[in-house]
Amino acid sequence: EDQVTQSPEALRLQEGESSSLNCSYTVSGLRGLFWYRQDPGKGPEFLFTLYSAGEEKEKERLKATLTKKESFLHITAPKPEDSATYLCAVGTPGTYKYIFGTGTRLKVLA
Amino acid sequence: NAGVTQTPKFRILKIGQSMTLQCTQDMNHNYMYWYRQDPGMGLKLIYYSVGAGITDKGEVPNGYNVSRSTTEDFPLRLELAAPSQTSVYFCASSLTGTARREKLFFGSGTQLSVL
Repeated sequence: EDQVTQSPEALRLQEGESSSLNCSYTVSGLRGLFWYRQDPGKGPEFLFTLYSAGEEKEKERLKATLTKKESFLHITAPKPEDSATYLCAVGTPGTYKYIFGTGTRLKVLA
Repeated sequence: NAGVTQTPKFRILKIGQSMTLQCTQDMNHNYMYWYRQDPGMGLKLIYYSVGAGITDKGEVPNGYNVSRSTTEDFPLRLELAAPSQTSVYFCASSLTGTARREKLFFGSGTQLSVL
């Protein structure tokens, strides 16, 4: 069964304390791995798409990497405004559907 | 561009009532989706559409119906509401199903309570 697992469920960091979020997946084939940010009371907002192992994408303090079994979202020197839930999703081949993980709730303390 | 617009933002239904959640997008996207999000759970796909007149079931379609008569609109119908349908509902759209260009644009959600 196709599955996406995110860890940890929740993470509290001090401002400036770098860390990584994990997204592991088991799918029969990968049609892209997607990272989204979701603020409370709002819809998810697109961050990155990764397509093949070894690929990396960066945006401000965020960097996403991809291996054959998992993806990491690295957060460097986070600020309180980085506090949000980060969702990972995979696209399954031969369909137009996505499987979402349950997310990681990140809290960055000033 | 307004993006993806959902209405209403909040709604309380009694058991057995029906309602339609509205979703419209102004980006000329061909793919549209309805998800529900329960606390501590990931987004679960209810229905999706690859173009006007074409819809298909997702993971959790029971108790819901959709239609897609235009590119812009993708309403979700709840018939005979049940407490299990209490959730936050998100509509999303995407320009294309081709992975290297796709990304989902989400609406702001509808919080539905069935009591």
